[in-house]
Amino acid sequence: AQTVTQSQPEMSVQEAETVTLSCTYDTSENNYYLFWYKQPPSRQMILVIRQEAYKQQNATENRFSVNFQKAAKSFSLKISDSQLGDTAMYFCAFMKHAGANNLFFGTGTRLTVIP
Amino acid sequence: EPEVTQTPSHQVTQMGQEVILRCVPISNHLYFYWYRQILGQKVEFLVSFYNNEISEKSEIFDDQFSVERPDGSNFTLKIRSTKLEDSAMYFCASSNPGTGSYEQYFGPGTRLTVT
Repeated sequence: AQTVTQSQPEMSVQEAETVTLSCTYDTSENNYYLFWYKQPPSRQMILVIRQEAYKQQNATENRFSVNFQKAAKSFSLKISDSQLGDTAMYFCAFMKHAGANNLFFGTGTRLTVIP
Repeated sequence: EPEVTQTPSHQVTQMGQEVILRCVPISNHLYFYWYRQILGQKVEFLVSFYNNEISEKSEIFDDQFSVERPDGSNFTLKIRSTKLEDSAMYFCASSNPGTGSYEQYFGPGTRLTVT
C-alpha cells in the first residue's frame, strides 16, 4: 500500500521569503508520479507541480520547485519569493504509473504567508 | 482553458435521503474520479471510472454509492441513503493519460451537508 506523510501540519513564511514543505512516501513501485496540490480557502484543488519518478531532474514551475530524492522517498516543495496568494493548504500526492489510478494524499500542510 | 465543473456547489439533505452529485469532466478526458474530503482531513479516493465501468474503488465506496455516466458529458455520484458521516466536500476529477499527461484536474467541489 502507498502512504504519503506530511510531517508539518502548519508553517508560516514572511512575504518574499522562501519556504520548503516536506513530504515523504512509501511504495514498492519503481515508476510513479508525485504531485503537489494547493487548496486555498475556496477549497478548490489546484495542481502546483508534478514529478515523474523516472526523471532525475527536479521539476520547476516558476516560483515552485521540488527536491525529489527517490532513494530517500522524499519529495519536498520549495516556494520562492512567497506571495500572500500562496496562503493555502498544500497536499502532497502519489500516483502509480499506469492507467486510471487514484491519488494518495498526505494530510496536508497549512501555509500562511505573513505580510 | 477547459475545466471540470460540478453542481451543486452546496447540497443540504436530510439523513436517509438520496443525493446525486453532478460533474462535467473536461471534454477529451477519458478517466473520471470521485474523491471526498471530510472537513479538516485529507482528500480520500472513492472511485475511478473508465470506458463506462468502475476501474477501481476504495473501501469507502460501499453499496450506498454508485457512479454513472448517463450521457456523453455528465458523470454522477449517487449516495442512496445519506448518513451524517457522509457530510464532506466531494471532488470530481478527470484525466487523459493517453496524451502523456497523468495530471488529474479537479472540479471546485460540492459541499454535502447531511442533517
